[in-house]
Amino acid sequence: DAGVTQSPTHLIKTRGQQVTLRCSPKSGHDTVSWYQQALGQEPQFIFQYYEEEERQRGNFPDRFSGHQFPNYSSELNVNALLLGDSALYLCASSLASGGSYEQYFGPGTRLTVT
Amino acid sequence: AQKVTQAQTEISVVEKEDVTLDCVYETRDTTYYLFWYKQPPSGELVFLIRRNSFDEQNEISGRYSWNFQKSTSSFNFTITASQVVDSAVYFCALSGSYSSASKIIFGSGTRLSIRP
Repeated sequence: DAGVTQSPTHLIKTRGQQVTLRCSPKSGHDTVSWYQQALGQEPQFIFQYYEEEERQRGNFPDRFSGHQFPNYSSELNVNALLLGDSALYLCASSLASGGSYEQYFGPGTRLTVT
Repeated sequence: AQKVTQAQTEISVVEKEDVTLDCVYETRDTTYYLFWYKQPPSGELVFLIRRNSFDEQNEISGRYSWNFQKSTSSFNFTITASQVVDSAVYFCALSGSYSSASKIIFGSGTRLSIRP
């Protein structure tokens, strides 16, 4: 049973560029949440996708957008990259209708903006 | 508003000592979940425990134990007989609703170093 997978593992981009990060949820899960973790900080909630729609959003600018596909996988897009976007991006999956609370995190994508 | 406070930024102990990581939370919800996660240098968040707001029983899992006290809004984590492999950043976290799909709010983390 595959857990949450993310790609790529590492990524280096230049200021002003655009980036797309990918997440495949744990088998059977239908909800994907994205978190940003800057170096030395705690993870911060970006947004959550369920039924291909953004259901919740944290305090992040519109440069951060996402998408969820019919197979429940998700993408995080960041436009006009800033140096401050350098961080570990974590994806978490869960089952919205689950009877017990389970939210699983992937290994993350480390983004460096130069 | 929901908030998680981990006042201890860094803790360093000698191997085999017991260590307690403090966590205080704030929420207006009557139902909520509390968590502890471990983050080793590799970066992956490792789930340690989940506790819902209606279950105040303490829990022990091997060398790990958790003390949940609703009266003081605290959810402390104790490692008994610490080992070098316990060195990591530990996050206490809160989910504000009784839903598997609610966002998680993390504390600022405690960096634990276990010296041989």
